[in-house]
Amino acid sequence: GENVEQHPSTLSVQEGDSAVIKCTYSDSASNYFPWYKQELGKRPQLIIDIRSNVGEKKDQRIAVTLNKTAKHFSLHITETQPEDSAVYFCAATHIYNFNKFYFGSGTKLNVKP
Amino acid sequence: GAVVSQHPSWVICKSGTSVKIECRSLDFQATTMFWYRQFPKQSLMLMATSNEGSKATYEQGVEKDKFLINHASLTLSTLTVTSAHPEDSSFYICSAREGGLNTDTQYFGPGTRLTVL
Repeated sequence: GENVEQHPSTLSVQEGDSAVIKCTYSDSASNYFPWYKQELGKRPQLIIDIRSNVGEKKDQRIAVTLNKTAKHFSLHITETQPEDSAVYFCAATHIYNFNKFYFGSGTKLNVKP
Repeated sequence: GAVVSQHPSWVICKSGTSVKIECRSLDFQATTMFWYRQFPKQSLMLMATSNEGSKATYEQGVEKDKFLINHASLTLSTLTVTSAHPEDSSFYICSAREGGLNTDTQYFGPGTRLTVL
């Protein structure tokens, strides 16, 4: 099955700096990679996703890059703000596996004001 | 759009009792629903996948007789934790996926915190 690894487990940045979270996956058939933000005790919220037919996607301060050859994808947050503090999870899936999401272990991002 | 609700939001029960958790898609039809378990400061662990009108598919290591899943309609799936024990205490989250092409996204419910005394 799919194995998703995520690094780092914790990340502290100063407000205004950029944050980068990296994930690798093992199943070359995976073709959909969402990123979720989860605040303490709340549901995971989709913040951005990318499909395997594109290499990069951007939405305001958030961007995701995908390297299919190396089987890794990254989340980039620019101009971080204190409200970006949360746990971020990456996931990988493919339609032939009934869209089962396999999540990374999570990254706790702390943005210091 | 794409709202998923879960009920109850929290439950405390005695060891040996059964607890039912409901997951509903409020504004779309969910052909597939997923149940996850999350321990404190850990990732989401997929427990099972349920498709409307068919038996759930359980992940390796998840006891199907302990975690009963029913997906009776396109908007409702239930998870019943039978004969609950303290080690079953956890945060249970469901998610739902719309049917059709290019609908990979899963929308998560708010979760149910189960505490077994």
